[in-house]
Amino acid sequence: AQSVSQHNHHVILSEAASLELGCNYSYGGTVNLFWYVQYPGQHLQLLLKYFSGDPLVKGIKGFEAEFIKSKFSFNLRKPSVQWSDTAEYFCAVNAEFNKFYFGSGTKLNVKP
Amino acid sequence: SAVISQKPSRDICQRGTSLTIQCQVDSQVTMMFWYRQQPGQSLTLIATANQGSEATYESGFVIDKFPISRPNLTFSTLTVSNMSPEDSSIYLCSMASGTNTGELFFGEGSRLTVL
Repeated sequence: AQSVSQHNHHVILSEAASLELGCNYSYGGTVNLFWYVQYPGQHLQLLLKYFSGDPLVKGIKGFEAEFIKSKFSFNLRKPSVQWSDTAEYFCAVNAEFNKFYFGSGTKLNVKP
Repeated sequence: SAVISQKPSRDICQRGTSLTIQCQVDSQVTMMFWYRQQPGQSLTLIATANQGSEATYESGFVIDKFPISRPNLTFSTLTVSNMSPEDSSIYLCSMASGTNTGELFFGEGSRLTVL
């Protein structure tokens, strides 16, 4: 069965710090990769996605992620975080028709 | 993007009772799913709600415990039966857009606490 691992459960940063959240998955075939974000009191929403092509994908609000196939990784990055980025971030993999497998989530707390 | 409405948004239930969660989507969709998010854990797929036929359950989830209905392309229900405190969780309705490469859209979730 597929699994998705997020290495950081809770990250605390000051504003303007750089962010990198790790995500690894276990599946040998073709995958589609996603990062979802859940802001406090809101529902899950898509941050960015990778299907094919350029392994560096850009999403909303200055986020980007890099797919490294050899490492089965899809890490999320942002050069300079803001207080409004405080949220929980979920990595997800879609390896079968519309079956999405999620990581355990990383809670990001950005101090103003 | 689709709008997914769930109710109740939260409830406190007694052990041994059952609760039905409703999910309404503002457009017709082919694929609807139910997820569970237990405290401190990831989202886990419970089942795919199939219109006009029985839901497809993931390993570890059974119809007797989580009966699902999907009478049409915009509505689904999930019942959590004979609840125990271990069922305390957030239950999320979601739908997929378009083909199998589409993203998932989520409702705001139903937070159940079982005493």
